[in-house]
Amino acid sequence: GAVVSQHPSWVICKSGTSVKIECRSLDFQATTMFWYRQFPKQSLMLMATSNEGSKATYEQGVEKDKFLINHASLTLSTLTVTSAHPEDSSFYICSAPPGGSTDTQYFGPGTRLTVL
Amino acid sequence: ILNVEQSPQSLHVQEGDSTNFTCSFPSSNFYALHWYRWETAKSPEALFVMTLNGDEKKKGRISATLNTKEGYSYLYIKGSQPEDSATYLCAPSSYNTDKLIFGTGTRLQVFP
Repeated sequence: GAVVSQHPSWVICKSGTSVKIECRSLDFQATTMFWYRQFPKQSLMLMATSNEGSKATYEQGVEKDKFLINHASLTLSTLTVTSAHPEDSSFYICSAPPGGSTDTQYFGPGTRLTVL
Repeated sequence: ILNVEQSPQSLHVQEGDSTNFTCSFPSSNFYALHWYRWETAKSPEALFVMTLNGDEKKKGRISATLNTKEGYSYLYIKGSQPEDSATYLCAPSSYNTDKLIFGTGTRLQVFP
């Protein structure tokens, strides 16, 4: 099946710093990618839809200036958590649909962010 | 689509047992239902994408059915094995959107 990579797999940072997470589709092009967040013992919550060459679409309640998304190429989307605080500590995971936006989504392995 | 519910939340079975779990979702504006298996420390793995009412799909010992009119899907595992231990997630999508709304999942543990 299609492969999606995510980097880093885990990161620990100090409060106030910014952290960038990369999501790459390794063997297909993705005009759309999705970013999710998982809180402890909860399901995957969609944060935003990353659109190649245009602005991301954010879900209600997700701060655009806090979670910057850039989708500069057909194989790479980045999520930057700006001025991270302990409440931003979470598991972030991306996905991409090889066949179009309504197709099966292939997930990266996720990134565990811990903000001290 | 809101209120995607999965039951039970967790399930412990013995190797060889067959098991099933439920995904309930609002039936209005339904387009497709996705099932994923998520093993610890791995990426969620796509199992099925189902769109038609009455549809049934099978992959090895795992099968799924779909009822779009009443808004539910069942996932069955026949003869559970320890390697089936994972969290099983369902996610419906709606027309005119590419978003998946995930349920909280059913965590399955199969004991040898």
